[in-house]
Amino acid sequence: DIQMTQSPSTLSASVGDRVTITCRASRSVSGWLAWYQQKPGKAPSLLIYKANILESGVPSRFSGGGSETEFTLTINSLQPDDFATYFCQQYGSYFLTFGQGTKVEIK
Amino acid sequence: QITLKESGPTLIKPTQTLTLTCTFSGFSLRTRGEGVGWIRQSPGDALEWLALILSNDDKRYKASLKNRLTITKDTSKNQVLLRMANVDPVDTATYYCAHRPATATLFYFDLWGQGMLVTVSS
Repeated sequence: DIQMTQSPSTLSASVGDRVTITCRASRSVSGWLAWYQQKPGKAPSLLIYKANILESGVPSRFSGGGSETEFTLTINSLQPDDFATYFCQQYGSYFLTFGQGTKVEIK
Repeated sequence: QITLKESGPTLIKPTQTLTLTCTFSGFSLRTRGEGVGWIRQSPGDALEWLALILSNDDKRYKASLKNRLTITKDTSKNQVLLRMANVDPVDTATYYCAHRPATATLFYFDLWGQGMLVTVSS
């Protein structure tokens, strides 16, 4: 399986900050990467697919980038609703795998 | 509007077979390209993809669990079943089913069920 490694595991930030989360794949997944947001006790929700395509209804302060083995999720001007855990998921291989998650918490 | 909901036992004994049902609405697995996946999350842990089934009955399984998992669909009932044989306490997790959109290239999930916690304990 392709291993997905996210960094950092935890990120402390303030409202209005710009934050970036990195997801690295153990081998190339081309551009086949999705990002999800999960709040405590809730199911994940899709933010971005194909590395940089914003899912309908997702605020434009979220953006994704990268290709092959290194990807980023950036949140511009962090809002109170954005404090959550974020997961990446690769779908460039037959077996799907997720990163271990990055928790964005209030500084 | 697409919705999915998981159902099944919340408590199961080790060595038994777990059967989970995903009942969905707003799409049909008769439609080309539609799919449903199962993902689980151990308490405080990461997401783990388990299995996927498509409208053409193509099925995929996590390699390390392939011998224990069976995914099937009942298109007339709008349901997808996941069976996991020989469960162990390490299988304790919240189990989610999720929709793979027909418009997607390859396999990501745009809508998820609320999830259900399954505890494996004697």
